[in-house]
Amino acid sequence: GNSVTQMEGPVTLSEEAFLTINCTYTATGYPSLFWYVQYPGEGLQLLLKATKADDKGSNKGFEATYRKETTSFHLEKGSVQVSDSAVYFCALRGQGGSEKLVFGKGMKLTVNP
Amino acid sequence: EPEVTQTPSHQVTQMGQEVILRCVPISNHLYFYWYRQILGQKVEFLVSFYNNEISEKSEIFDDQFSVERPDGSNFTLKIRSTKLEDSAMYFCASSDGGRETQYFGPGTRLLVL
Repeated sequence: GNSVTQMEGPVTLSEEAFLTINCTYTATGYPSLFWYVQYPGEGLQLLLKATKADDKGSNKGFEATYRKETTSFHLEKGSVQVSDSAVYFCALRGQGGSEKLVFGKGMKLTVNP
Repeated sequence: EPEVTQTPSHQVTQMGQEVILRCVPISNHLYFYWYRQILGQKVEFLVSFYNNEISEKSEIFDDQFSVERPDGSNFTLKIRSTKLEDSAMYFCASSDGGRETQYFGPGTRLLVL
């Protein structure tokens, strides 16, 4: 079945550091790929998405590119801020009629000033 | 901005008791979902609901679970006879007719003693 593997952390960075969170997936065909973020005390919020190969999703300075050849969707940000401290989840929705999201385990990021 | 809300935020119950978790999806959304996250594990899909019936469910969603949309605004998850292993964070989500993005609530943390 479909699955997502991501870096688990936790990770602590200093403000303005470069961030990469690796995410790889296993799925047949062309799934849609997502990054969700969960800030303390809040629900999962969609951060960005990509629905076909080579698409780049971007939002709030974060980027991820759908790489079919490496089955990856790594999340990057050039300069993190304290406000980026959160848990980050990579997820996919399989091709076809299924609506369910399949999530990675999530990675907790703490950014220190 | 419209958001998904969930009540209660925390619930403690005794094993064998029934619990009902409540969600108010975004008002014009048509598709509704429940997910759960056992501590330290992945977010897992439970069920999706459309047009007053279950459209998809996982193997976790056995006869102990049921969902209902009792009125035009609420969406509930009932666990008939809770087990210790039902302790988890339960997330409700909803999406509009396009189904591309699922919007999540803040979750209900259920503890079964």
